[in-house]
Amino acid sequence: EFVLTQSPGTLSLSPGERATLSCRASQSISSSYLAWYQQKPGQAPRVLIYGASSRATGIPERFSGSRSGTDFTLTISRLEPEDFAVYYCQQYGSSLYTFGQGTKLEIK
Amino acid sequence: QLQLQESGPGLVKPSETLSLTCTVSGGSISSSSYYWGWIRQPPGKGLEWLGSIYFSGSTFYNPSLKSRITISVGTSKNQFSLKLSSVTAADTAVYYCTSLYADSVVFFDYWGQGTLVTVSS
Repeated sequence: EFVLTQSPGTLSLSPGERATLSCRASQSISSSYLAWYQQKPGQAPRVLIYGASSRATGIPERFSGSRSGTDFTLTISRLEPEDFAVYYCQQYGSSLYTFGQGTKLEIK
Repeated sequence: QLQLQESGPGLVKPSETLSLTCTVSGGSISSSSYYWGWIRQPPGKGLEWLGSIYFSGSTFYNPSLKSRITISVGTSKNQFSLKLSSVTAADTAVYYCTSLYADSVVFFDYWGQGTLVTVSS
């Protein structure tokens, strides 16, 4: 069974700070098949990053994605008030799609 | 830009079948680069992929639901549908329909607003 493990579960930071969110895959996956989503309360998720490091249309440059082996990272360089939300990573493999359990980014 | 809209009953009785339809606008459901999918989110919990379909009718289902789920496509109406049988309270969730861009990269790019389905007698 393929598992994505996100850490931390909750991240408390202040506006202007840098956020680093982690997503660890239980086995090797293609970078092409790793995406990050942001979800605000009462809203559908929206894609931020696809292909591990490509920003989706309209996503600010402060959002970036990277990979090191089976570890994927979403970085928000300088937090804006609207960035406080829940973030999910998601992978595709063998015709199946898996989401991580989410990281809640909250205002400190 | 694609727009997706879910429709269907908000309340389903236990053991019955949940049925939802997603209407796609702003593009064709027959696009070669897209699959179409359903994702759900129980209240206060994370996201679960349920299944996906190509306009040709090819389907991929979450193995945890495989015996209960059917996804179909209606190209003439630019719609696709979800049926989940023998529902229980554990199937209570917000159900999202999505477009799945599948080319050199794969990701869920457009989402419906979601519809809450409650399973209760």
